Amino acid sequence: AQKVTQAQTEISVVEKEDVTLDCVYETRDTTYYLFWYKQPPSGELVFLIRRNSFDEQNEISGRYSWNFQKSTSSFNFTITASQVVDSAVYFCALSEAQGTGNQFYFGTGTSLTVIP
Amino acid sequence: DSGVTQTPKHLITATGQRVTLRCSPRSGDLSVYWYQQSLDQGLQFLIQYYNGEERAKGNILERFSAQQFPDLHSELNLSSLELGDSALYFCASNPSGASTDTQYFGPGTRLTVL
Repeated sequence: AQKVTQAQTEISVVEKEDVTLDCVYETRDTTYYLFWYKQPPSGELVFLIRRNSFDEQNEISGRYSWNFQKSTSSFNFTITASQVVDSAVYFCALSEAQGTGNQFYFGTGTSLTVIP
Repeated sequence: DSGVTQTPKHLITATGQRVTLRCSPRSGDLSVYWYQQSLDQGLQFLIQYYNGEERAKGNILERFSAQQFPDLHSELNLSSLELGDSALYFCASNPSGASTDTQYFGPGTRLTVL
C-alpha cells in the first residue's frame, strides 16, 4: 500500500485561479513529518514546507497555504492566484523514524500546469 | 543553487556495467541522502548516511551500495546495471540528519543504461 497518495496526477488551471493539491498519508507512528517539494521543469527539487505530526496549525506563506488534518491523514497544499511560474510537479512526502535515521516516502507527484 | 553538488550530470552506459555517482554536501552538513527518480517507480528514498555511518535504508537494491567518506562526500555505486536502472539520481544533505532539518537537493545525475 502507498504510504503517500497524491490522487491527482495532472491538473491544469488558468492563471489567477486557485488550485488545491491533495495529499493523503498513512503511518502508524505518532511522530512523523510531512513535506511538500516542488520540481520545476528544470528538474531540481525545491523544499516548500515541513510539518511535524504535533503541529496541526495551518500555514500560509504568500500565495501558498497548507492544511494539515490528522483526523483525515491529509496534508493539502493550496496555491492562490496561480501564476505560470507555479507550473511544476509537486511532491508530498512523509518521513518516519528508522533506527537513528529517517525513512522517506514520496507520493507520485501532481503535475500542475498553469495556462496564461 | 542549493550548495549540493553532484557529478557527473549525465552518464550513459551499457547493461552489466558499473558506475559511481558522486555527491558533495553543503558545507557543514553531516548527513547525505540518496534518491532515485524513475518513470516507473517515481521518487524513491534509497539510503541515508550521517557522518560516515549508515543511518536509514529505503528501497535500495543489493546491486547498489553507497558510502560516505571522512570528508563527508558520498558515492553511490551501481553495479550489474539493467535497463530499469535508468533514472535521475538525487543526493540531498542536511546538517543533523534529522527530519527537523530541511534537506537540500543537488541537481541530480541522469543515468541512461542502454
